[in-house]
Amino acid sequence: IVMTQTPLSLPVTPGESASISCRSSQSLLKSDDGNSYVDWYLQKPGQSPQLLLYTVSLRAPGVPDRFIGSGSGTDFTLKISRVEAEDVGVYYCMQRIEFPRTFGQGTRVEIK
Amino acid sequence: QMQLVQSGAEVKKPGASVKVSCKASGYAFTDYYIHWVRQAPGQGLEWLGWINPATAATHYSQKFQDSVTLTRDTSISTSYMELNRLTSGDTAVYYCARVAWELLGALDIWGQGTMVSVSS
Repeated sequence: IVMTQTPLSLPVTPGESASISCRSSQSLLKSDDGNSYVDWYLQKPGQSPQLLLYTVSLRAPGVPDRFIGSGSGTDFTLKISRVEAEDVGVYYCMQRIEFPRTFGQGTRVEIK
Repeated sequence: QMQLVQSGAEVKKPGASVKVSCKASGYAFTDYYIHWVRQAPGQGLEWLGWINPATAATHYSQKFQDSVTLTRDTSISTSYMELNRLTSGDTAVYYCARVAWELLGALDIWGQGTMVSVSS
């Protein structure tokens, strides 16, 4: 499954919102439970990836409610409302409906 | 505190093998699968495979089926990723990550990464 993210680079002003799109080459919807299996990770500079959202919109423990996930099937969006300086890094979507797991190319978010 | 701590950086020559360790602490090692992911310099994330520490069952990306071996030692709560027949294309940071069943299977804890450099 190919995961395609847009944009690849996203300059943002602190306090404003930002959106990242992730599109999969086939549906990530599992019919038996109704969940779409896409997760979002943030890799801050010099760090390991960290889980932000799982199964589209569920926030991992400790993740601020500024991070909002939406979508279903093949089209997904991560929205960051009120961007803060600590949100800079590369954001990846990842599908886990089938193996091999595959990631989007990453979207680099930077502060203007 | 739940964490995964990986072994240190490695420098290898082409054709050699490397074995990276990933030690779990703060949780029951055999209750959670471990996945391995790599990241070439300046590039994105690439998934290699998983191991079930309880049974040693494994599953590999077809790309790495013949070059990667995942193992574990339950007595020391450690997973291993061995990569054979190294080429310059294997130069990357290698991460282990835990599957969180409580989070519907997402990767919730990541190791700090191990840099593997392949150069003649």
